[in-house]
Amino acid sequence: GENVEQHPSTLSVQEGDSAVIKCTYSDSASNYFPWYKQELGKRPQLIIDIRSNVGEKKDQRIAVTLNKTAKHFSLHITETQPEDSAVYFCALNPSTGTASKLTFGTGTRLQVTL
Amino acid sequence: KAGVTQTPRYLIKTRGQQVTLSCSPISGHRSVSWYQQTPGQGLQFLFEYFSETQRNKGNFPGRFSGRQFSNSRSEMNVSTLELGDSALYLCASSRDRGGLGEQFFGPGTRLTVL
Repeated sequence: GENVEQHPSTLSVQEGDSAVIKCTYSDSASNYFPWYKQELGKRPQLIIDIRSNVGEKKDQRIAVTLNKTAKHFSLHITETQPEDSAVYFCALNPSTGTASKLTFGTGTRLQVTL
Repeated sequence: KAGVTQTPRYLIKTRGQQVTLSCSPISGHRSVSWYQQTPGQGLQFLFEYFSETQRNKGNFPGRFSGRQFSNSRSEMNVSTLELGDSALYLCASSRDRGGLGEQFFGPGTRLTVL
């Protein structure tokens, strides 16, 4: 089945710095790439997603870039704040074409220090 | 609009028993997917239901089953519980199966098998 490699597994940044998390995949048929944030003890929450017909999408301090040729997509968080501390998961839909079956990366624990 | 709800939130069972978990999707959402989250394996897709039919299934043994009712509520059942079934079980709903079908997660049911 589809595998998604996510790096790094842990990331520590100072408040105000930027954070970048990268995911690589192998199935070129995937066309939906969401990112989820999961705070300790809480549910995963969709923070941004991108579809294969665009290369970049921004929402305030969060952006996602997609390189379909190289089969990788990245999450960029600028001006990090302590409340950004959480585990972030990338995901994609395997080649079945539905966005309701997601394959997840292994997660990145982001720690924003003061 | 109310979010995805799951009951019960916590369960403790012993090996060999069976368990049924319930998920109520966001009103108007017709697709329900189930995921298992563990520290070792991360988030893994179990199955997806749409219009009362299982549409996709992950790589889990037949002890894991589910169903969906006409009001889109879904249940999953695990029979002959094993210690390794201890996990957070998350359901996610989306309006449809593809297109703009972003998935929204419930709070999860934490199952502990003793």
